[in-house]
Amino acid sequence: GDSVTQMEGPVTLSEEAFLTINCTYTATGYPSLFWYVQYPGEGLQLLLKATKADDKGSNKGFEATYRKETTSFHLEKGSVQVSDSAVYFCALTPNTGNQFYFGTGTSLTVIP
Amino acid sequence: EAQVTQNPRYLITVTGKKLTVTCSQNMNHEYMSWYRQDPGLGLRQIYYSMNVEVTDKGDVPEGYKVSRKEKRNFPLILESPSPNQTSLYFCASSYAGNTEAFFGQGTRLTVV
Repeated sequence: GDSVTQMEGPVTLSEEAFLTINCTYTATGYPSLFWYVQYPGEGLQLLLKATKADDKGSNKGFEATYRKETTSFHLEKGSVQVSDSAVYFCALTPNTGNQFYFGTGTSLTVIP
Repeated sequence: EAQVTQNPRYLITVTGKKLTVTCSQNMNHEYMSWYRQDPGLGLRQIYYSMNVEVTDKGDVPEGYKVSRKEKRNFPLILESPSPNQTSLYFCASSYAGNTEAFFGQGTRLTVV
């Protein structure tokens, strides 16, 4: 069945460091791919998305490219800030659009 | 303000005592869903609804019920809660199943 495999954490980085969180997926057809962020004590918020191969989603300095050939959707940011500390979830929804499948989440802590 | 509202935020109950967690959205979304979040497992979908009176099972529906009598409300019902249902629960809504999901703040449930 459809699934998402996400890089395990926790990840600790110094401010201004480069961030990569790996995400790979298994799905038939062409799913839509998402990154969600969860700040402490809050629900999930959409960070970015891509709906077809080679699309690049971007928001708040974060980017991810939909790679069909490697079934990946890795999250990157060139220079992280303390305010980026949160849990990040990769997710997909199949082209039938009925269900979301989430990864296990990656906790990021950015230290000054 | 567009939002998904869950109540209560925190709940401690005893095994076997029926409970309902309410969820309401003000965005006129057709699609609503419930998830549980457990450490190391990410978010898993419990039930979803594509429209009024249309509901379907997600990945972990056992022990839960839902109803969708009105477009804005999607309550989660635990008829006989058990300790393995102790978890953090999120309600979400979206225009369609494969579009951005808006999440509630979460309900932390403890069953003793």
